[in-house]
Amino acid sequence: SQQGEEDPQALSIQEGENATMNCSYKTSINNLQWYRQNSGRGLVHLILIRSNEREKHSGRLRVTLDTSKKSSSLLITASRAADTASYFCASLIQGAQKLVFGQGTRLTINP
Amino acid sequence: GAVVSQHPSWVICKSGTSVKIECRSLDFQATTMFWYRQFPKQSLMLMATSNEGSKATYEQGVEKDKFLINHASLTLSTLTVTSAHPEDSSFYICSARVDVNEQFFGPGTRLTVL
Repeated sequence: SQQGEEDPQALSIQEGENATMNCSYKTSINNLQWYRQNSGRGLVHLILIRSNEREKHSGRLRVTLDTSKKSSSLLITASRAADTASYFCASLIQGAQKLVFGQGTRLTINP
Repeated sequence: GAVVSQHPSWVICKSGTSVKIECRSLDFQATTMFWYRQFPKQSLMLMATSNEGSKATYEQGVEKDKFLINHASLTLSTLTVTSAHPEDSSFYICSARVDVNEQFFGPGTRLTVL
């Protein structure tokens, strides 16, 4: 399967703490994207990092990309209850131009 | 930003019937759209790539005779689940490609087959 891996599969933290999720992929990519999905809903695009970038910030989000290790991480700082959702990384495969999703991390923020 | 809609948002049907799901790009044209399937508590799996004016490209293991895809215009792709069975119950999500690096996702369609 081309599907990437994410860890942890589930993460439960207290409000205000930081949450870190990791993603690994298998092939060369053009970019890697992170999405949020609330239960039973559609995807919300969070951030895109290109293959020639190493770090990117957007508000409380920080994404890193290590192409040598084929891995990425998403850090959410100062978490809020509203951040409770599933988070997916998706790698845009070079050449095939297809998005391959990771298995996702279910994040729960406890008030 | 670009908006993608799906219709219906949910559908319940009897086993053996066919169900059509529409995916529309509302404010842009998309020569390429994608169909994904998501089972409960799982990730999105790409089913097929829909290309305007040509046949869809299916991922390995996806039955093209069961999941019919038609991309008849630059703003509409349809997925028809033929002879649906309970195991086809899933969340179906489409996306439309804006450029080579960006896709916008629809809100999804929940299919329940009784």
